[in-house]
Amino acid sequence: QVQLQESGPGLVKPSETLSLTCTVSGGSISSNYWSWIRQPAGKGLEWIGRIYGSGNTNYNPSLKSRVTMSIDTSKNQFSLKLNSVTAADTAVYYCARVLRWAIDYWGQGTLVTVSS
Amino acid sequence: QSALTQPPSASGSPGQSVTISCTGTSSDVGGYNYVSWYQQHPGKAPKLMIYEVTKRPSGVPDRFSGSKSGNTASLTVSGLQAEDEADYYCSSYAGSNNLGVFGTGTQVTVL
Repeated sequence: QVQLQESGPGLVKPSETLSLTCTVSGGSISSNYWSWIRQPAGKGLEWIGRIYGSGNTNYNPSLKSRVTMSIDTSKNQFSLKLNSVTAADTAVYYCARVLRWAIDYWGQGTLVTVSS
Repeated sequence: QSALTQPPSASGSPGQSVTISCTGTSSDVGGYNYVSWYQQHPGKAPKLMIYEVTKRPSGVPDRFSGSKSGNTASLTVSGLQAEDEADYYCSSYAGSNNLGVFGTGTQVTVL
């Protein structure tokens, strides 16, 4: 049973960088695809990006200029950095496993608020 | 990469069926058999209900079924139960960016 757990600051100041880490247990991080997905309060889901165990990435074009995803197979973790954040980036951020373009395992989600 | 279009709401009485549509384009829903459906209860993470258009993960009741015609996919919930009241999201692979795209979401109410 794969389990994912997000961690990181719950409050980020405008113009700064949002940094989150997802710790994976119960599965091989190096031979799977992983994603970050976010959901503003009361709104829908948005796919931020996808990373493979080798480090290959794909990003949402609307966020591509501000997003960096990385993976550390030795720690079974992958990470998200989103720079130059604004209030519009306030959301619940989920990390997840992607299998044949279906998200079969989700983290519980972590709320990140952008505010001074 | 525009969101897939879903109706904002749908409803049905217990025991009835409800069908939710998910409309995209030939670059996403219509071009690939990688449509998934997710159920989300308030305050919870989404749960995978259907993948690859018609397949059900282990543990998902067979009351949930998926289909696709052209650029529109559908999720049908038969024999509605109170616990089916939730938000439902579709998703599809969108080849141009080698990433997925979600639908706008549908709130299902069991009357």
